[in-house]
Amino acid sequence: NAGVTQTPKFQVLKTGQSMTLQCAQDMNHEYMSWYRQDPGMGLRLIHYSVGAGITDQGEVPNGYNVSRSTTEDFPLRLLSAAPSQTSVYFCASGYKSGPQHFGDGTRLSIL
Amino acid sequence: KQEVTQIPAALSVPEGENLVLNCSFTDSAIYNLQWFRQDPGKGLTSLLLIQSSQREQTSGRLNASLDKSSGRSTLYIAASQPGDSATYLCAVRRATSYDKVIFGPGTSLSVIP
Repeated sequence: NAGVTQTPKFQVLKTGQSMTLQCAQDMNHEYMSWYRQDPGMGLRLIHYSVGAGITDQGEVPNGYNVSRSTTEDFPLRLLSAAPSQTSVYFCASGYKSGPQHFGDGTRLSIL
Repeated sequence: KQEVTQIPAALSVPEGENLVLNCSFTDSAIYNLQWFRQDPGKGLTSLLLIQSSQREQTSGRLNASLDKSSGRSTLYIAASQPGDSATYLCAVRRATSYDKVIFGPGTSLSVIP
């Protein structure tokens, strides 16, 4: 099983550029989410989705957009990259009552 | 607002010791609690999931307990090995807003051969 797949693994952007981080899962999970992990800040929830067509904001949603057109995919879009968005981004999926499964992360640097 | 803390922040033990990691949460209205390990530069690996109606879960040398009334969970690791060295995180899914999962800051464990 592929599990949760994130692409790319590494990315360097210039301030003001936009990009999309991809996340796909093959476990038919209803729940998907995006986190960022920063030193001293732990994991913080950016956006989440409880099913296709349904998304909502987490703790730190500003500067990010998401959509959920299919059960499998949950892309995260950076609208205009800022140095403060330099971080490691994790995508997770799961069922409501079950464990969350994480991807390997995307390491993003904004210059 | 749910807050999750973990004590200690870092722990170093000799190989073979039994150890306990602690996770505390401020709102006892939780749906479940999950323990993860994270190796440097890697993603999170799920270790144990405890539902709110359960008191403990076991997997191999790992045992996790849950006391909702006191807002605490402990992860017990028996006969620690150097391969157990990693950061351990707990995460709480709230009962009232079950879609949001709150993570603790983690405990960095080093097992010395």
